Amino acid sequence: QQQVKQSPQSLIVQKGGISIINCAYENTAFDYFPWYQQFPGKGPALLIAIRPDVSEKKEGRFTISFNKSAKQFSLHIMDSQPGDSATYFCAASLGGAQKLVFGQGTRLTINP
Amino acid sequence: DGGITQSPKYLFRKEGQNVTLSCEQNLNHDAMYWYRQDPGQGLRLIYYSQIVNDFQKGDIAEGYSVSREKKESFPLTVTSAQKNPTAFYLCASLGAQAESLYGYTFGSGTRLTVV
Repeated sequence: QQQVKQSPQSLIVQKGGISIINCAYENTAFDYFPWYQQFPGKGPALLIAIRPDVSEKKEGRFTISFNKSAKQFSLHIMDSQPGDSATYFCAASLGGAQKLVFGQGTRLTINP
Repeated sequence: DGGITQSPKYLFRKEGQNVTLSCEQNLNHDAMYWYRQDPGQGLRLIYYSQIVNDFQKGDIAEGYSVSREKKESFPLTVTSAQKNPTAFYLCASLGAQAESLYGYTFGSGTRLTVV
């Protein structure tokens, strides 16, 4: 019930394309869903986050889509660039950002 | 600049040895966390502390210990009881990062290898 399942494990997208990473959760009490971006040898950095009272949130080229009934949320990266190549983690938590449960991660490669 | 400093960046441990990973933050955040990262497994919570002199076990606390004597510092000790300690260790603190963004700030990590 505490798991967050992330797919795909790896993804290759051409420059300018749309990258889509999906996550699914079981615990309907989760109330905070962030996405983190991690470059090799670095710690993850918070990218964008959403709460379940909205279905979509956009920050520049990054959009979270949230489907409460399906218990799924996804990250869309529009006009993907080589600098977006990184590992992306979805996460979920109860009571705000405390004690995040992370997905397994997606290694994204954007080909020039 | 405010942030989290983890040291050392690389650490080598011999069998049966305890080692301590340092984590210092100057963000004035109350809550601090230790995560372990293994390939293909995401990040798993080891310990967390929401206030000075108090901490709780996470999902994989066995073989690890922590202390929180100061708000700024949350060191992690990997003891000899941890049978598979080779991993990338990440320290984080929790606080506001922007008007509409609230979440963890991570350090740059410590890569621990058993030799």
